[in-house]
Amino acid sequence: GESVGLHLPTLSVQEGDNSIINCAYSNSASDYFIWYKQESGKGPQFIIDIRSNMDKRQGQRVTVLLNKTVKHLSLQIAATQPGDSAVYFCAESLEGAGGKLIFGQGTELSVKP
Amino acid sequence: GAGVSQTPSNKVTEKGKYVELRCDPISGHTALYWYRQSLGQGPEFLIYFQGTGAADDSGLPNDRFFAVRPEGSVSTLKIQRTERGDSAVYLCASSFGWGMNNEQFFGPGTRLTVL
Repeated sequence: GESVGLHLPTLSVQEGDNSIINCAYSNSASDYFIWYKQESGKGPQFIIDIRSNMDKRQGQRVTVLLNKTVKHLSLQIAATQPGDSAVYFCAESLEGAGGKLIFGQGTELSVKP
Repeated sequence: GAGVSQTPSNKVTEKGKYVELRCDPISGHTALYWYRQSLGQGPEFLIYFQGTGAADDSGLPNDRFFAVRPEGSVSTLKIQRTERGDSAVYLCASSFGWGMNNEQFFGPGTRLTVL
């Protein structure tokens, strides 16, 4: 039979508002975390990363927060723009694993103009 | 500069057939990764290469899947006796070095459909 894809969690925001996308990661031993943006028909694109010895890192319009106690990662996007509309994935990696990435379930961000 | 390219962009095949998917990494990138992405899900790791050798193939689902990178540049993912469950987007990524601090650059993927 035909396979049915999972429905992604969706976040809908108004242009100019701030967005917060959450992710629960699986391995408490993970050393490194990355957020990726994936637009339709394209491969994932790196947004921002954070090492496990940090709890916050800021980039241009984006901030990543890491809470190791509850294995939670969040991505904050300031002043969200229509071009931010995409699916966002968090990924984790272990020291010594050669860069192998374990991706979480994505969140679809929809920005209304 | 050129990014990671993958060919073909789309491949439709019949159950039981053999397919090859090609990845051209960014020039000079020593590490190459293959992932598989099913509809509505995040990419799943398949295999990665350090130079010519497969350093970790723990994600290959079974022995119908095989990948090579004979000259340390282009890689080919080979799937024998394809099954409908193999239908997915196959993503390739490359990085300058290997290890968690090296950014992986992804190609656009090959969408494989097995009828």
